[in-house]
Amino acid sequence: NAGVTQTPKFQVLKTGQSMTLQCAQDMNHEYMSWYRQDPGMGLRLIHYSVGAGITDQGEVPNGYNVSRSTTEDFPLRLLSAAPSQTSVYFCASSPSSGKGWDEQFFGPGTRLTVL
Amino acid sequence: AQSVTQLDSHVSVSEGTPVLLRCNYSSSYSPSLFWYVQHPNKGLQLLLKYTSAATLVKGINGFEAEFKKSETSFHLTKPSAHMSDAAEYFCVVSDLDSSYKLIFGSGTRLLVRP
Repeated sequence: NAGVTQTPKFQVLKTGQSMTLQCAQDMNHEYMSWYRQDPGMGLRLIHYSVGAGITDQGEVPNGYNVSRSTTEDFPLRLLSAAPSQTSVYFCASSPSSGKGWDEQFFGPGTRLTVL
Repeated sequence: AQSVTQLDSHVSVSEGTPVLLRCNYSSSYSPSLFWYVQHPNKGLQLLLKYTSAATLVKGINGFEAEFKKSETSFHLTKPSAHMSDAAEYFCVVSDLDSSYKLIFGSGTRLLVRP
């Protein structure tokens, strides 16, 4: 099992550009989520999905879109990048419901810089 | 609303001495509590979790944490620090009843001196 994979590892964008961060998992997990990590703030939830075709907003969803067409993939789209979106992005997955008692498995992260 | 406070942003210990990383939580319901570790330039890995069973929870690599409801605390301890323990540690809370959302503390960076 590769676990949770993310691409790219690093990305530099100019303000206003769009891009998609890719996330895939091969553990057949129903629940997937995206977090951003900023210095001194821990991780904050952007969007999550409890299964294919179902997505919902987290704590900081503005400026990001997601879709979940398959169980394996959960891409995160930045529509018009802003410097405030400079961060490290983590994708995570969890078995079954993803409810509070489930362990979440994290990808290695994507470091994004917006100039 | 639930929240997590990690009381120290940095903790420095000597190799072989005990580790204590402090965490206080606030939750309307019986919480699930976790400790995750993040080594430099890596993703997060689960150390241990509490889900209303035994209050003393043992995790990987010799870490353990004790859930104290009266003090709303979930401090992480290890009897003897190893150089490989140097990392950032996150205390995390999630309500059992509803939310799919994990609430992360701001993190504690552990430095282990030789």
